[in-house]
Amino acid sequence: GESVGLHLPTLSVQEGDNSIINCAYSNSASDYFIWYKQESGKGPQFIIDIRSNMDKRQGQRVTVLLNKTVKHLSLQIAATQPGDSAVYFCAENIYGNNRLAFGKGNQVVVIP
Amino acid sequence: NAGVTQTPKFQVLKTGQSMTLQCAQDMNHNSMYWYRQDPGMGLRLIYYSASEGTTDKGEVPNGYNVSRLNKREFSLRLESAAPSQTSVYFCASSDLDRGHRQETQYFGPGTRLLVL
Repeated sequence: GESVGLHLPTLSVQEGDNSIINCAYSNSASDYFIWYKQESGKGPQFIIDIRSNMDKRQGQRVTVLLNKTVKHLSLQIAATQPGDSAVYFCAENIYGNNRLAFGKGNQVVVIP
Repeated sequence: NAGVTQTPKFQVLKTGQSMTLQCAQDMNHNSMYWYRQDPGMGLRLIYYSASEGTTDKGEVPNGYNVSRLNKREFSLRLESAAPSQTSVYFCASSDLDRGHRQETQYFGPGTRLLVL
């Protein structure tokens, strides 16, 4: 498939290790944040979301952390698996706005 | 539930040809979106429809038109394709929660378009 990850920052992770992917957002008025995973040749897939009234939210093997003070969002993946190899990108939304603003993404490569 | 479906999956056009990309969602969402994705550029919004009967321009609307046919379907038309429109096109849908807050957008599998 096409390489949506072309020229993206790349994180290489050993299988079984934890991964941390970072995202800096631009608008201090943003109050809703989403992490997506995109595998080669596929559409973006929802992973986890968080609203601005929370600092942390956990899912299955994933945790999202939100630091509103420095406008920073991170996605932690526990015990990274080969199937986690993909491009990950964050999106932000402002209340009242139907649109999401997307980051360009980070490529994660899991080394077996 | 199929979620968001798109047709066709692949298409090759010659410069100047026209085509319509189809999108349908079965989640009863009010809002639908068309994006294009190019290497290193991320997702760029072409057009969106906040609700049935309304459409609005996004970041890169030039060369495209849309139709919100009904609540389920949102089509994207290229009237006269250009090589610069070679891209992967994604449709998405979403809704608002009871507090009128945005919920996540769900994406289709994409249409890969090559314009020669």
